[in-house]
Amino acid sequence: DVKVTQSSRYLVKRTGEKVFLECVQDMDHENMFWYRQDPGLGLRLIYFSYDVKMKEKGDIPEGYSVSREKKERFSLILESASTNQTSMYLCASSLGPSTGLETQYFGPGTRLLVL
Amino acid sequence: ELKVEQNPLFLSMQEGKNYTIYCNYSTTSDRLYWYRQDPGKSLESLFVLLSNGAVKQEGRLMASLDTKARLSTLHITAAVHDLSATYFCAVDFNAGGTSYGKLTFGQGTILTVHP
Repeated sequence: DVKVTQSSRYLVKRTGEKVFLECVQDMDHENMFWYRQDPGLGLRLIYFSYDVKMKEKGDIPEGYSVSREKKERFSLILESASTNQTSMYLCASSLGPSTGLETQYFGPGTRLLVL
Repeated sequence: ELKVEQNPLFLSMQEGKNYTIYCNYSTTSDRLYWYRQDPGKSLESLFVLLSNGAVKQEGRLMASLDTKARLSTLHITAAVHDLSATYFCAVDFNAGGTSYGKLTFGQGTILTVHP
């Protein structure tokens, strides 16, 4: 079974703090994704990565950065957290390479509250 | 603009009834995915539809894809309480190109099945 884990289920941070969200997958998947989920808006792609050290902006990258130093790990960084970044963050991975046929497997999510 | 729209967004059903969730998308694609999300949980894959006319069935759920109409449907037959969840469709708009499996999600349909 594919397993995607996220470092925290719940986080509370203060405005201006630097926040790290970590995601690890155990199936040697090439593609990894970070989404945020907000009511009525579905899932919106923040960043994705198709290989180690490779990253691409998604639909809403502003205020976020990512890091992929190892194939199994994809980190989302909020450089200076703001209240409008309060959301559910979901990490996903898929097999690759670039065929577009792969199902994405999701982690359990991190619910972030920025005060 | 790449858009995926679901309707209805909220669906309250009686057990034993049938209903359909619709997923419309804005630009040509022949790769469409359906996911289910239980409250407080992450997304799990339900169906992958890869060509015009594709139909997949699992239990009381059946999904179909009409690429000419840019429409997918998720049909629920004789609903039971266990089907209560949020259902998302997602489209790969770059299928056949360098998509890296990137998906655009609909807003989600919250389904509640009651006795």
